[in-house]
Amino acid sequence: DVKVTQSSRYLVKRTGEKVFLECVQDMDHENMFWYRQDPGLGLRLIYFSYDVKMKEKGDIPEGYSVSREKKERFSLILESASTNQTSMYLCASRVEGYEQYFGPGTRLTVT
Amino acid sequence: TQLLEQSPQFLSIQEGENLTVYCNSSSVFSSLQWYRQEPGEGPVLLVTVVTGGEVKKLKRLTFQFGDARKDSSLHITAAQPGDTGLYLCAGVDSGYALNFGKGTSLLVTP
Repeated sequence: DVKVTQSSRYLVKRTGEKVFLECVQDMDHENMFWYRQDPGLGLRLIYFSYDVKMKEKGDIPEGYSVSREKKERFSLILESASTNQTSMYLCASRVEGYEQYFGPGTRLTVT
Repeated sequence: TQLLEQSPQFLSIQEGENLTVYCNSSSVFSSLQWYRQEPGEGPVLLVTVVTGGEVKKLKRLTFQFGDARKDSSLHITAAQPGDTGLYLCAGVDSGYALNFGKGTSLLVTP
């Protein structure tokens, strides 16, 4: 059974903290993605990676960075969390041209 | 980023009713995918349509890809409370990332 797991389902952080969101996939997929999902705005792509150590900016990369040191793991980093980064964060992985598999999401609240 | 517009944005219906949701774009896609997302979970793929004019059925759900491969529809017959969720369409083009619409939020009440 294919699986994308995310390190936390719920997370509460304070403004200014450094936040790490981890994502692991067990399908040997080359492509991995980080989205945030907000009511009325839909899914917005933050960053994606098409190979180990390779990354590309998505539509809203400001305030975020990513790391992919191993094929199965893709991390999203909020260098200095702000309240406008309160959101649902979704990780996904995919083989090009095929189904995209999503993790269960991390609901992050920044206070 | 190519835009996909979904309509309606919200839909609240009674169990047993039929409904159609739409996904439209001015761009051509090589294929289009529909996902359903239940509250508190990630989206899950329902279907991929590839050929212009293609119709696919998944039990009470019927998916159609427009002839020009720019639009798609999802029709649900005799909706059930278990159909409640957010329905997302996503266009596949030559890039790495999918282009997602904002979704149609469906509520089916008993």
